[in-house]
Amino acid sequence: GEDVEQSLFLSVREGDSSVINCTYTDSSSTYLYWYKQEPGAGLQLLTYIFSNMDMKQDQRLTVLLNKKDKHLSLRIADTQTGDSAIYFCAEIYNSNYQLIWGAGTKLIIKP
Amino acid sequence: GAVVSQHPSRVICKSGTSVKIECRSLDFQATTMFWYRQFPKQSLMLMATSNEGSKATYEQGVEKDKFLINHASLTLSTLTVTSAHPEDSSFYICSAGPGSYNEQFFGPGTRLTVL
Repeated sequence: GEDVEQSLFLSVREGDSSVINCTYTDSSSTYLYWYKQEPGAGLQLLTYIFSNMDMKQDQRLTVLLNKKDKHLSLRIADTQTGDSAIYFCAEIYNSNYQLIWGAGTKLIIKP
Repeated sequence: GAVVSQHPSRVICKSGTSVKIECRSLDFQATTMFWYRQFPKQSLMLMATSNEGSKATYEQGVEKDKFLINHASLTLSTLTVTSAHPEDSSFYICSAGPGSYNEQFFGPGTRLTVL
């Protein structure tokens, strides 16, 4: 079946860049997403990328898509304590708009 | 993005009672709503997908008689956990979609604790 994989933890120092990686299996996905979840809260859409794009930048966020390797990454520049959260990678699954989710990467910020 | 609310945000109930959770899309007409369950430190588990006016489609392993889903309008879906037991304790999150980029908009979640 379709699958999305990401590492469970990432630890970075405040002020450094964070790079969260994700691999997926369904090459027919039209959109891929990054969502952020803070403790005890729902998910917030951070950014998306359309499958015909290689890169998308939005302020401190840069998304890279390598369709050949089915690899998606999210780079957060100048990581701040407020960026501490779980980051989920997701891809569109079917015509009913279901998403396949990664397990989430917990971003830990060290002072 | 669209605003989605959930009510209640937290509920504690006795074993055997039923609990209803409401999910409202406040500024967006959601043709599709999704219900997820999230265990501690784990990813989201899709429970069911509901299209407005239709019966919900449940994922494998989710008991449709236990988790009743109603999607009566483009702005409201409800999840009723019937005869709740301690193993039903979890964080339940709803989402609404699709957005302009086929994304889902999430509610803040409901923490259910069954004693």
